[in-house]
Amino acid sequence: TQLLEQSPQFLSIQEGENLTVYCNSSSVFSSLQWYRQEPGEGPVLLVTVVTGGEVKKLKRLTFQFGDARKDSSLHITAAQPGDTGLYLCAGGYGQNFVFGPGTRLSVLP
Amino acid sequence: KAGVTQTPRYLIKTRGQQVTLSCSPISGHRSVSWYQQTPGQGLQFLFEYFSETQRNKGNFPGRFSGRQFSNSRSEMNVSTLELGDSALYLCASSLQGPRNSPLHFGNGTRLTVT
Repeated sequence: TQLLEQSPQFLSIQEGENLTVYCNSSSVFSSLQWYRQEPGEGPVLLVTVVTGGEVKKLKRLTFQFGDARKDSSLHITAAQPGDTGLYLCAGGYGQNFVFGPGTRLSVLP
Repeated sequence: KAGVTQTPRYLIKTRGQQVTLSCSPISGHRSVSWYQQTPGQGLQFLFEYFSETQRNKGNFPGRFSGRQFSNSRSEMNVSTLELGDSALYLCASSLQGPRNSPLHFGNGTRLTVT
């Protein structure tokens, strides 16, 4: 069982569509990070959310941290082919630093 | 500012052999953490080094070990390789560690064990 669950596992959409991906846990996290990984490369940090209920915007990407700090979401408006990649959420837990399994997003032109 | 450099990029080894992977962090970053990425298990934390000391460790067997040098460069060693060790090994550097500062990843070493 993963400490961080992500859904959906796969998502294929057309350019211009909106989408939301989710990161959920039964545990409380002091903060969560979102990364995007493209094939052949390491993950790149998109954002860190720290405060319960926090909303952060990064151009067309909107990140939200749940009030109870157990879940987070990433909403992309008007998706573009350049948004294609593996989206990972991650956070510290005990002595570990854990990643969710990721959502693999494909945006078709 | 140079990014995180991992060498080699690709490696093919035989069961039972050992392997050493190298990671050069961003200048000024004292924390280096290592991760294993596989299609089945995703990204899993191996360990973190900070100022030459192992600060945190994930749930991997003792065959996986690492060290960090005074210049913050880090190496990871896997002994007695098994087929299941085939994976992409990623290292990440940060100022204060994964919990407290952004991680900057290298592009990984892809290890294939035959």
